[in-house]
Amino acid sequence: NAGVTQTPKFQVLKTGQSMTLQCAQDMNHNSMYWYRQDPGMGLRLIYYSASEGTTDKGEVPNGYNVSRLNKREFSLRLESAAPSQTSVYFCASSLGFGPTNTEAFFGQGTRLTVV
Amino acid sequence: GDSVTQMEGPVTLSEEAFLTINCTYTATGYPSLFWYVQYPGEGLQLLLKATKADDKGSNKGFEATYRKETTSFHLEKGSVQVSDSAVYFCALSLYGGSQGNLIFGKGTKLSVKP
Repeated sequence: NAGVTQTPKFQVLKTGQSMTLQCAQDMNHNSMYWYRQDPGMGLRLIYYSASEGTTDKGEVPNGYNVSRLNKREFSLRLESAAPSQTSVYFCASSLGFGPTNTEAFFGQGTRLTVV
Repeated sequence: GDSVTQMEGPVTLSEEAFLTINCTYTATGYPSLFWYVQYPGEGLQLLLKATKADDKGSNKGFEATYRKETTSFHLEKGSVQVSDSAVYFCALSLYGGSQGNLIFGKGTKLSVKP
């Protein structure tokens, strides 16, 4: 029972390099999310996809792009990494998008360091 | 805007002590409320939830009651264990907006000593 799977778990990038974080869920969920977690800041939403075929900006989208490849997969791309993007990134999914249907399931996280 | 405020940590308790972590919220609509827990090196997992006023969520000895009149959802446990050491996040959910679906507090780190 995999749930939400993120790859990679750890990554070190040099400033200006690009990379894509992969996320897949096997729970037939409609909605998927990317968060970043920084000390003292809690979780901040980067982008979300309320349903297959749609994506929307969250609270901190600058410097990132996303692709909802299909219902299962939602990737996050850093085109030109900056030290300010050093963080732990979490992918999450939920069955729906609304107050009564929002139990979110999280991946294990990707610890990204940009030097 | 919509937001969640929870008590700052870290909170350090001895085993079998009583735990309260305060959480208050601001929301324009009628949110659902959640507590998530994050164990070291892991992602967040749902601990409990409440979807309407006066509901009580409970799980693994933890409880929280949705209080609309005080806009609060405080987390309590009567007797904590070392294994409860983790970071606890209060969250609310509403439709849409730049914060998407779930709005999180900043988290409270709990350490339980034997």
